[in-house]
Amino acid sequence: GAGVSQSPSNKVTEKGKDVELRCDPISGHTALYWYRQSLGQGLEFLIYFQGNSAPDKSGLPSDRFSAERTGGSVSTLTIQRTQQEDSAVYLCASSPRAGGYTGELFFGEGSRLTVL
Amino acid sequence: EDKVVQSPLSLVVHEGDTVTLNCSYEVTNFRSLLWYKQEKKAPTFLFMLTSSGIEKKSGRLSSILDKKELFSILNITATQTGDSAIYLCAVPTDSWGKLQFGAGTQVVVTP
Repeated sequence: GAGVSQSPSNKVTEKGKDVELRCDPISGHTALYWYRQSLGQGLEFLIYFQGNSAPDKSGLPSDRFSAERTGGSVSTLTIQRTQQEDSAVYLCASSPRAGGYTGELFFGEGSRLTVL
Repeated sequence: EDKVVQSPLSLVVHEGDTVTLNCSYEVTNFRSLLWYKQEKKAPTFLFMLTSSGIEKKSGRLSSILDKKELFSILNITATQTGDSAIYLCAVPTDSWGKLQFGAGTQVVVTP
């Protein structure tokens, strides 16, 4: 497809389980970002990948969160031992280059995670 | 600490009204200010502002930046029900596109 694709669109899990969220960015985009949006809140930065550089993980809330990007394309965000406070919409975005100069990030539809 | 504050948090208007949304910011190294519209899930880009006093316009939407007073406004004229959305303001906190978002303003336009 032409846009950023995320899966699953909805995930319900039990507290303590691990979850994986997937993001397929727009082809050719070198930068990939993960954000989290809790109910009624703005977007919270989690992590970004820019080309072959080391990812900026400064926004990950705990060591239960990790992400990887394979082959410079698809990314997976993993949350281990999920907690109820992890419930949120996880949004992925991509940019054709360092987005700070254009500002335009292309967002996916998000993965809504509910931890029971 | 970099910070973006939007106001109001929400508002309800009638079709045809004009809406003004506010965004104030504090950032260590200002590069730009961005506005996004979020209707359902995926935010979509509206404007990027880098210079004070220069209005950006797209149809009924316009935005302007004041770098001295550290704020921006987004105006929507002749509102339509399709303008109902959350409007997000953001500033990059580094040169790689890491964005600090405000909490957003939820706009509801009633027929």
